Amino acid sequence: ETGVTQSPTHLIKTRGQQVTLRCSSQSGHNTVSWYQQALGQGPQFIFQYYREEENGRGNFPPRFSGLQFPNYSSELNVNALELDDSALYLCASSFDIYEQYFGPGTRLTVT
Amino acid sequence: QQQVKQSPQSLIVQKGGISIINCAYENTAFDYFPWYQQFPGKGPALLIAIRPDVSEKKEGRFTISFNKSAKQFSLHIMDSQPGDSATYFCAASLLYNFNKFYFGSGTKLNVKP
Repeated sequence: ETGVTQSPTHLIKTRGQQVTLRCSSQSGHNTVSWYQQALGQGPQFIFQYYREEENGRGNFPPRFSGLQFPNYSSELNVNALELDDSALYLCASSFDIYEQYFGPGTRLTVT
Repeated sequence: QQQVKQSPQSLIVQKGGISIINCAYENTAFDYFPWYQQFPGKGPALLIAIRPDVSEKKEGRFTISFNKSAKQFSLHIMDSQPGDSATYFCAASLLYNFNKFYFGSGTKLNVKP
């Protein structure tokens, strides 16, 4: 059984650019949630995908969007990057409503 | 409004001592309370979790104590070891509302040898 994987590990972008982050869910899991973790803070919920449909969203603007694919992997897209978007982006997978297992994260730096 | 408040922000404990981290929550509808451990450069790892129908859950050296009336829960790490040095996050969620997690702000634990 493989765990949750994320790519890339690190990323540096310029303000105004667009970025796509990827997440492969744990085997057997059908739900992926994305979180933003600013330095020294707890993770904040961005949105969740369940069986390819968005299943809930936190207080993030529409320039944060996502996708889930038939194999339950997922992408997080952020348009018009701002300096405050610099953070660790975490995805977590679960089977339906049960325990969420986090990936190692993608460290995004916006300059 | 911060849904989950965590304290202390940092904690120093001697090896073999007991580490205690506290959390308080606002929403009485929360029905799942996990604790996560995070090492630098890594994602949070599920440590232990509790549902509100029990007051205590123990797994090895880790114990969650839950006080529903006070809307508080805490993590106790018995016989703390230097390898336990990490940041700990409490969280709360509604299992039947897509299990969106509300995280505390974290506690950085340093266990001195």
